[in-house]
Amino acid sequence: DGGITQSPKYLFRKEGQNVTLSCEQNLNHDAMYWYRQDPGQGLRLIYYSQIVNDFQKGDIAEGYSVSREKKESFPLTVTSAQKNPTAFYLCASSIAGRGYEQYFGPGTRLTVT
Amino acid sequence: KNEVEQSPQNLTAQEGEFITINCSYSVGISALHWLQQHPGGGIVSLFMLSSGKKKHGRLIATINIQEKHSSLHITASHPRDSAVYICAVRLRVEAAGNKLTFGGGTRVLVKP
Repeated sequence: DGGITQSPKYLFRKEGQNVTLSCEQNLNHDAMYWYRQDPGQGLRLIYYSQIVNDFQKGDIAEGYSVSREKKESFPLTVTSAQKNPTAFYLCASSIAGRGYEQYFGPGTRLTVT
Repeated sequence: KNEVEQSPQNLTAQEGEFITINCSYSVGISALHWLQQHPGGGIVSLFMLSSGKKKHGRLIATINIQEKHSSLHITASHPRDSAVYICAVRLRVEAAGNKLTFGGGTRVLVKP
């Protein structure tokens, strides 16, 4: 079955620690995206990548970093510089270019205390 | 003011009722998406619209490009329709690529 996997579903970390969220897809999509969702707010774009070894900042990239070494994988690191890291993080992928539907993963809920 | 506004924020209906969720946007768009997010958090794409109307089962989505408005209708609602429904738009600007701008979502609860 083709799809997007994110692991783990729930993640707990202490303040000051970096944490990496996994996102893997087997849809053969070139484009991948990371979104953050906070209660009562719409999804906000953190980073996106249109092709391997290339990525661009989204609307709220501060305190986050990504890599795109493989087409299938787009891990997101939440660094200690992110002031409010507790949130629900969603990964998505699509065929590159305009007009294509995005497919979403199940999400990871990160809690930092 | 957000570029994409949804109303209502919350909606409770009795099973069988007709439900309408509205989405208004203030920018030029090339497409509008309706998404469904279940309590577990996963998101499923319901519709992608650039004009007119689409129907899938009990769900109907319409868009009026001139009025910058879209509606999602659920006919004969069922408790399993309980979810957050999210409107998202793709900007018409070429540089925006395939990026989406999201509304805040409408939480729908259908009671048996």
